Order: sequence, then structure tokens, then C-alpha cells
Amino acid sequence: DTAVSQTPKYLVTQMGNDKSIKCEQNLGHDTMYWYKQDSKKFLKIMFSYNNKELIINETVPNRFSPKSPDKAHLNLHINSLELGDSAVYFCASSPGTGARLYGYTFGSGTRLTVV
Amino acid sequence: DQQVKQNSPSLSVQEGRISILNCDYTNSMFDYFLWYKKYPAEGPTFLISISSIKDKNEDGRFTVFLNKSAKHLSLHIVPSQPGDSAVYFCAAKASFTGGGNKLTFGTGTQLKVEL
Repeated sequence: DTAVSQTPKYLVTQMGNDKSIKCEQNLGHDTMYWYKQDSKKFLKIMFSYNNKELIINETVPNRFSPKSPDKAHLNLHINSLELGDSAVYFCASSPGTGARLYGYTFGSGTRLTVV
Repeated sequence: DQQVKQNSPSLSVQEGRISILNCDYTNSMFDYFLWYKKYPAEGPTFLISISSIKDKNEDGRFTVFLNKSAKHLSLHIVPSQPGDSAVYFCAAKASFTGGGNKLTFGTGTQLKVEL
């Protein structure tokens, strides 16, 4: 009954590989996000989708490609992994967007280690 | 460009005493502020929020104060309990910039409540 679930929880892979992280939410939320927490503990937004439509796309290398097959799922595919991609990636969801406060519900994170 | 700053990476407090966590921001367009709490190997969980039209919001042992002129907010926890030991993230949102529901996070403060 986890509200926002991410898989896998841990991912160790070699440089140059392609990998995907999956995220699913069962809260009925319209909006989903990917955040990256780097070694300096910054939690920085990467992407946001609202009802399967991309609405936020921060300055992220185009090796990162989000895909939202429906509003309950937001997957993150990473091509040609680099050492600097090592981080914890958090998925989150919120009821909506717009000019009021919508807090996030976060998943538990995926720790990606590129060796 | 770090728009939300938590200058104390760690704080240690005795059980029963008050914990005060601080956060500064630079973007005057921010109009909603939130605090999240994070335990190891889990995602951040929402704690309390405040709108820029208020200067105080209270929820049980947790109170958030906002000083707009100083661009400063603080989270007070009283009395502090060992279960409060976690990393606390400050986050902010600018509602009317058309940026979706993007939250900008600080780097967190590790709170340790000692017996």
C-alpha cells in the first residue's frame, strides 16, 4: 500500500550502460516529479509531468529521458551512464500544480552507483 | 545559484529542549515555504508549511516562523524527542512564475536529539 514506490532501491552499474528507474503512485495525483540528490545533499528537480505532459524540464543532460505512460507512472531512463550520475534519485507526486501550495509525497529513493 | 540555504549542516539538542532550525532564501518571488523531514534510506516526508501572508504556523510540537523582510524562516520543535532525529529540509515555491509546482530545497540540517 506504498503511496509512491520506486524500483529498484539500489542500482550499481558500469559506466556506459543504459538503465531505467521506475516510479508508481497510487494517490490519484496528477503531477509527478524526478529529483536528484547529489553528494552535496542538494535535492534538485529534474523533470515534472502533469497528466502525462512534460511541464518542467530543468537543465539535465539529454541522456536522461523521462517517460510517463499514464498519470500514475513516471519512469526515468538514463543512457550512457557516467560516474557523475551517481546520486540518489527521488520520485515524488502532488495533487496538482498552479498557484497554490501542493506538497509532495516522495518515494524512498533509488541509490544509483556508477562504477 | 542556491536560492534556499540552510547554513547549519548539523544541530545537537538535548531531549526535552527546543530545537531551532534555520533557513534563508534569496528569491523574493517565493510565497510558500515547507519543511520536510527525512530518515535514512527513506524519502522526505512533509512536516509543516507556511504561506507568505502569515508569519507563524503551528502544528503540535512544530512551529514555523517566517520573517519576510529578512527572507528567513525557522522551524521550532518543542519539546524535542529522540524520534525527531533526522535531516530537515527547508523548501520554497514561487506560485506565480509559471514553473509548475516546482519546490526549491535547501541542503538540509541533520538534527540529533540526545537523551
